[in-house]
Amino acid sequence: AQSVTQLGSHVSVSEGALVLLRCNYSSSVPPYLFWYVQYPNQGLQLLLKYTSAATLVKGINGFEAEFKKSETSFHLTKPSAHMSDAAEYFCAVSERPGGSYIPTFGRGTSLIVHP
Amino acid sequence: DGGITQSPKYLFRKEGQNVTLSCEQNLNHDAMYWYRQDPGQGLRLIYYSQIVNDFQKGDIAEGYSVSREKKESFPLTVTSAQKNPTAFYLCASSKVAGGQETQYFGPGTRLLVL
Repeated sequence: AQSVTQLGSHVSVSEGALVLLRCNYSSSVPPYLFWYVQYPNQGLQLLLKYTSAATLVKGINGFEAEFKKSETSFHLTKPSAHMSDAAEYFCAVSERPGGSYIPTFGRGTSLIVHP
Repeated sequence: DGGITQSPKYLFRKEGQNVTLSCEQNLNHDAMYWYRQDPGQGLRLIYYSQIVNDFQKGDIAEGYSVSREKKESFPLTVTSAQKNPTAFYLCASSKVAGGQETQYFGPGTRLLVL
């Protein structure tokens, strides 16, 4: 069975500082991995996804994530936080054929950006 | 513009009442999903549909029902059997179900109990 753990329900950074949001997954077969962002009272939108091409994935708004199989991780980073990055971030995993192909979401991490 | 619409934005339910949340997409996607979002619990899958006239239960289907009579529509009914319905409900679609497919989400419906 697949699962996702997001470490830290809240992460607080200063504007201009590095953003690091952690995601660890569990999967019985090679996974597909996603990061979505949710602004208050809105739906989710895709930031980036890993589908087995390059292990370093670049997404929108300057975010990127690195797939590390040995660590079963897919952490999201951004070199310099902007006030507009304040939102809820969700990591999700789905599996290739043979596994559970409907995505499972983590509990989310709320990113707070201080001026 | 293609996308997913959900209505209403806010919905109030009285004790013992069934209510229906609307979800429509014009992306020509085969798969559609309903999620429930509660603070600190992430998204939990209620039902999903891979194709018209077919749907499967998700992790928390009890107290909910769905139909998929048209490709573009996937309404969710919250029945009186759902004892704790207050939550934010999100509808999503993807080209096909799961795997590496990106899910596209609607803006959500917030359900409150009177």
